[in-house]
Amino acid sequence: EIVLTQSPATLSVSPGARATLSCRASQSVSSFLAWYQQKPGQAPRLLIYGASTRDTGIPARFSGSGSGTEFTLTISSLQSEDFAVYYCQQYNNWPYTFGQGTKLEIK
Amino acid sequence: EVQLVESGGGLVQPGESLRLSCAASGFTFSNYWMHWVRQAPGKGLVWVSRINSDGSSISYADSVKGRFTISRDNAKNTLNLQMNSLRAEDTAVYYCARDAYEGWDYWGQGTLVTVSS
Repeated sequence: EIVLTQSPATLSVSPGARATLSCRASQSVSSFLAWYQQKPGQAPRLLIYGASTRDTGIPARFSGSGSGTEFTLTISSLQSEDFAVYYCQQYNNWPYTFGQGTKLEIK
Repeated sequence: EVQLVESGGGLVQPGESLRLSCAASGFTFSNYWMHWVRQAPGKGLVWVSRINSDGSSISYADSVKGRFTISRDNAKNTLNLQMNSLRAEDTAVYYCARDAYEGWDYWGQGTLVTVSS
């Protein structure tokens, strides 16, 4: 089973600033990596797939990069609605696995 | 509009059974693989089970293998999860999700399953 390790566990950032979230895979997942956003009491929302492609309707301030085992989600100019928990997911090998999440909180 | 609506959650005692359903609308259900994912209170997302578009291929997480059964009725646009021999550690919000082959693009709102005596 591929283990995804997200860092940091919690990230405190001021509104308007940039946030950089990391996801490391225990073995290569090529570019088969997605990022999800989850707000309290809500279902996850797909942000990025294929490591770098934004899903329909996702603002351009969200960007993904990386391949193999190292991936990054960058949120430029944080808005109030961006403070949430973010999960990475690999879909290269069964079972598909999620990282443990990064909580993005207001500084 | 794509919608996934889960139902069937509730409070049960250890060892009991529960059947979850996910009603799909707004898309051709029979074209998509579907998944169940759960989230224990305050914890992260954990994949539970998946079924391919015609129901001929199924997989389970080791933690539920032999106890849970996933199925689908493409005529009724419904995904099901039969959960038997429930344990306290099965307590979670259960989500159904549509597999878009590149990420899971639609999720239901979730249904809470609580296993407690």
